[in-house]
Amino acid sequence: DGGITQSPKYLFRKEGQNVTLSCEQNLNHDAMYWYRQDPGQGLRLIYYSQIVNDFQKGDIAEGYSVSREKKESFPLTVTSAQKNPTAFYLCASAAYSGSNVLTFGAGSRLTVL
Amino acid sequence: RKEVEQDPGPFNVPEGATVAFNCTYSNSASQSFFWYRQDCRKEPKLLMSVYSSGNEDGRFTAQLNRASQYISLLIRDSKLSDSATYLCVVNMGAGGTSYGKLTFGQGTILTVHP
Repeated sequence: DGGITQSPKYLFRKEGQNVTLSCEQNLNHDAMYWYRQDPGQGLRLIYYSQIVNDFQKGDIAEGYSVSREKKESFPLTVTSAQKNPTAFYLCASAAYSGSNVLTFGAGSRLTVL
Repeated sequence: RKEVEQDPGPFNVPEGATVAFNCTYSNSASQSFFWYRQDCRKEPKLLMSVYSSGNEDGRFTAQLNRASQYISLLIRDSKLSDSATYLCVVNMGAGGTSYGKLTFGQGTILTVHP
């Protein structure tokens, strides 16, 4: 079945450590996105990529980095510069940039100890 | 003012009840509107798009009021399985091949009880 796979599902990190969240899709979608969700808040866009080897900052990119070397993959690195990294991270894809229909992965829950 | 605003609830209703949620948006140039459903600790999934003339999908009816800048979701004959968080999503940007910014509301929590 086609879909988006995020890993790990749960992750614990010590302060000062970088961590990379994986996002892989086999939907042949061009566009991919990373969102962050905090309790009582809507999803906030971290980074997005419209095509391979291109990505753009979203609303809250500080302290995060991404790469898009393959169409299927869009990993997110949460760096030590991110002041409040504990959150639920959601990766999404869309068939093309500008599509309003997003398919989400199951999410990765990051807790900083 | 938030770009997309929802009453967080929670709405607690009995099975069989009719419940409605509203969502207001700040940008009058917004292009497209959607409702997503998110189960507890799961990912959001598209529930339905919202069309200018209003649209219905089974027990769910979505409406758009551009003049007052709000959209609504009506659920009739509520089921236990309708318990979830309902996210209002607005595309505030350009369409076509350009990325149109999707802005999510904080969500409205619905609990349907026996």
